[in-house]
Amino acid sequence: DGGITQSPKYLFRKEGQNVTLSCEQNLNHDAMYWYRQDPGQGLRLIYYSQIVNDFQKGDIAEGYSVSREKKESFPLTVTSAQKNPTAFYLCASSGPGFYEQYFGPGTRLTVT
Amino acid sequence: AQSVTQLGSHVSVSEGALVLLRCNYSSSVPPYLFWYVQYPNQGLQLLLKYTSAATLVKGINGFEAEFKKSETSFHLTKPSAHMSDAAEYFCAVSESGANSKLTFGKGITLSVRP
Repeated sequence: DGGITQSPKYLFRKEGQNVTLSCEQNLNHDAMYWYRQDPGQGLRLIYYSQIVNDFQKGDIAEGYSVSREKKESFPLTVTSAQKNPTAFYLCASSGPGFYEQYFGPGTRLTVT
Repeated sequence: AQSVTQLGSHVSVSEGALVLLRCNYSSSVPPYLFWYVQYPNQGLQLLLKYTSAATLVKGINGFEAEFKKSETSFHLTKPSAHMSDAAEYFCAVSESGANSKLTFGKGITLSVRP
């Protein structure tokens, strides 16, 4: 059945390493989004893409990078330049005529 | 610029009591408004949405919300709380319609006492 998958569910990395979080959707949605969630801060937009091969920075893009080579996939790389990468990361998508976004289950990243 | 304010970070109610979670928004154009629910360590699930049709919007799990333009509010209510309603609730606003960015409030944690 259709949906958004994020893998892995939990991810552990050492400080100074880059790490890539996966996001795949089979909803045929054009737009995809990455959010970061920290306790008490709600969701903050990192990057979004409204079409293949195009993406825009969100509110907190520093230290992150993305690519959108396929409609189904929107991976997020957390680079060593991100000063505080430990967080819960959520991927979402939206399709033509849809005002709401649909969310994946999230990846909890811990960097020590 | 659009913004959302959810006053308070935690609400506690007794099982069977009314649930009221407040959301106020700021938008320069007629907004689209959403309530999402999040259970621990999971993604967000859409509860309901306002997209300029009826001002009273009914959602899943017995929740509803009313859009009040004069008060710039979109409060979420449920007549009778159930233990399974314990979760975090987020209000969000969009100004641009389909496939556009959402701005989220900081969220409210709802606890339900037996």
